[in-house]
Amino acid sequence: KAGVTQTPRYLIKTRGQQVTLSCSPISGHRSVSWYQQTPGQGLQFLFEYFSETQRNKGNFPGRFSGRQFSNSRSEMNVSTLELGDSALYLCASSPRRTSGGQTGETQYFGPGTRLLVL
Amino acid sequence: AQSVAQPEDQVNVAEGNPLTVKCTYSVSGNPYLFWYVQYPNRGLQFLLKYITGDNLVKGSYGFEAEFNKSQTSFHLKKPSALVSDSALYFCAVRDNDMRFGAGTRLTVKP
Repeated sequence: KAGVTQTPRYLIKTRGQQVTLSCSPISGHRSVSWYQQTPGQGLQFLFEYFSETQRNKGNFPGRFSGRQFSNSRSEMNVSTLELGDSALYLCASSPRRTSGGQTGETQYFGPGTRLLVL
Repeated sequence: AQSVAQPEDQVNVAEGNPLTVKCTYSVSGNPYLFWYVQYPNRGLQFLLKYITGDNLVKGSYGFEAEFNKSQTSFHLKKPSALVSDSALYFCAVRDNDMRFGAGTRLTVKP
């Protein structure tokens, strides 16, 4: 099976712009989660989508949003970009839900999208 | 809330020597613990997980981890390190969402 794919791999934006990142999960996986990775804050959970519904959300402002399509592909949008949004954004997929409780589901990560905000 | 801690930012070992990357956890209830590895400009790769059962968990690429309830630890180990094992290693615990440690950079020198 093909792994998790993310597009684009690299992106440069300026403050105030908005950006959309895309994630295609492993075939048959219905859950997609997004994470932000920065040197200062490490890996932080953004949100999880399962069956086209947001199931859980991390502690991020409303500028961060997402959606999931019927084929389980997911997009993440960041509006009014700030310098601090520069990060590696990682997408992870799994067959079943992974958040909202303690589960042993394994998440499989994509290569990430590196966003630089100038 | 559940959390994990990786007490070492950096671990250096010689090729062929055993390696240990440390992780301690704080959970209420049953712990679901994971190890991931990240190579430069790559996403995270799953190595292994502990859900229940045997305290010694075997994973990918010859890695294993020992779950120790009394010491609340889940250390990652490998009997003989390779230069290609050099990477960033993350321990994680599943709570309401996945909580990652800060990461440990492993360097294996020839």
